[in-house]
Amino acid sequence: QSALTQPASVSGSPGQSITISCTGTSSDVGGYNYVSWYQQHPGKAPKLMIYEVSNRPSGVSNRFSGSKSGNTASLTISGLQAEDEADYYCSSYTSSSTHVVFGGGTKLTVL
Amino acid sequence: QVQLQESGPGLVKPSQTLSLTCTVSGGSISSGSYYWSWIRQPAGKGLEWIGRIYTSGSTNYNPSLKSRVTISVDTSKNQFSLKLSSVTAADTAVYYCARESIAVAGTFDYWGQGTLVTVSS
Repeated sequence: QSALTQPASVSGSPGQSITISCTGTSSDVGGYNYVSWYQQHPGKAPKLMIYEVSNRPSGVSNRFSGSKSGNTASLTISGLQAEDEADYYCSSYTSSSTHVVFGGGTKLTVL
Repeated sequence: QVQLQESGPGLVKPSQTLSLTCTVSGGSISSGSYYWSWIRQPAGKGLEWIGRIYTSGSTNYNPSLKSRVTISVDTSKNQFSLKLSSVTAADTAVYYCARESIAVAGTFDYWGQGTLVTVSS
């Protein structure tokens, strides 16, 4: 069982927007602005898409955005494209000795 | 462009020690701005942080694995390594090495391609 809770799957049609939630506690998501989101295509390594809740690394499309409210962080992908179909993982720094916790992952299907 | 590459045996027998090395290129592992971590992912499952090391040799480990994990660094070779002892089938996973910025806790900006380690007799 993962420390952060994500929906197992979401789907959307090309051009639409989707949002993936990531729920933790006040010891991780709610307590720090160190929430990250990763995209993982099958057989590939995770790729950093969002860091510090809402910042995009250089080269990441502005169709990807992040936010946080209380103990829940969210990743929104607008203007869905076929290439966005992948697994998405959230992570957060945690005050526990575990240091960082991950969500269980969400499979995004572009219909 | 920083690149990380894992290497090591793909098959380990139960009760033995898993050993992997991560070679960093395009940047110095001695940079004081980063930690160097190991993360694993069992097939079809989520990610699990194993532990990390700083250039000084200071380490932090996931409490669930701490008794079996050792991470070390060789700055002369720009490498860091993972040893996981007394492995079982539950340790079968893809193992990634990754870079974590000190300024942004818990954020991994560069990852290796991953290496599959299977624990089986």
